[in-house]
Amino acid sequence: DAGVTQSPTHLIKTRGQHVTLRCSPISGHKSVSWYQQVLGQGPQFIFQYYEKEERGRGNFPDRFSARQFPNYSSELNVNALLLGDSALYLCASSLIGGGADEQYFGPGTRLTVT
Amino acid sequence: AQKITQTQPGMFVQEKEAVTLDCTYDTSDQSYGLFWYKQPSSGEMIFLIYQGSYDEQNATEGRYSLNFQKARKSANLVISASQLGDSAMYFCAMRDDQTGANNLFFGTGTRLTVIP
Repeated sequence: DAGVTQSPTHLIKTRGQHVTLRCSPISGHKSVSWYQQVLGQGPQFIFQYYEKEERGRGNFPDRFSARQFPNYSSELNVNALLLGDSALYLCASSLIGGGADEQYFGPGTRLTVT
Repeated sequence: AQKITQTQPGMFVQEKEAVTLDCTYDTSDQSYGLFWYKQPSSGEMIFLIYQGSYDEQNATEGRYSLNFQKARKSANLVISASQLGDSAMYFCAMRDDQTGANNLFFGTGTRLTVIP
């Protein structure tokens, strides 16, 4: 079975631009979470979606938004990019997104803002 | 608020030897989960082992074991018989199991290097 997939793998954007990152969860998984990992740090939680509804939000500005589609895939959008948004963006999927539910991570999208 | 502390930025271990990676946590919750993930240079986070706060026995998964000391709020990862492929970043993480959400709080990681 295919694991969590993310696209694109890498991208370079300029300050002030907008970016959309995509994630497809493992088949049968209904929850998707997004994390930002700045170089040299651990991942930091951004959003969790379950059944197309936002279930959790981390401490990120309103420039960050996300949504989940009926097929459970998800998009993360970042507006007005700043240099500090340069990071590895990780997507994780899980069955129901709660309790003792294990998260499976994708390979990530490496975003560079110049 | 949850907090994970990993005090070892880097560790070295000889191939075939055992190594312990330290992790302490802070939470006021009674129900929580503790995880260890491995992150190779490719970037993907690979799940290694899980320990629930109410689990009485330490978790084990093959060469990985979790030394869970609840009173000390520590959850150290022990890797036995180290292999060259174990060289990677290792992250300790905690999840609050009371909120119904699934967000993980990660530490800053430990870079493990296995020496031939």
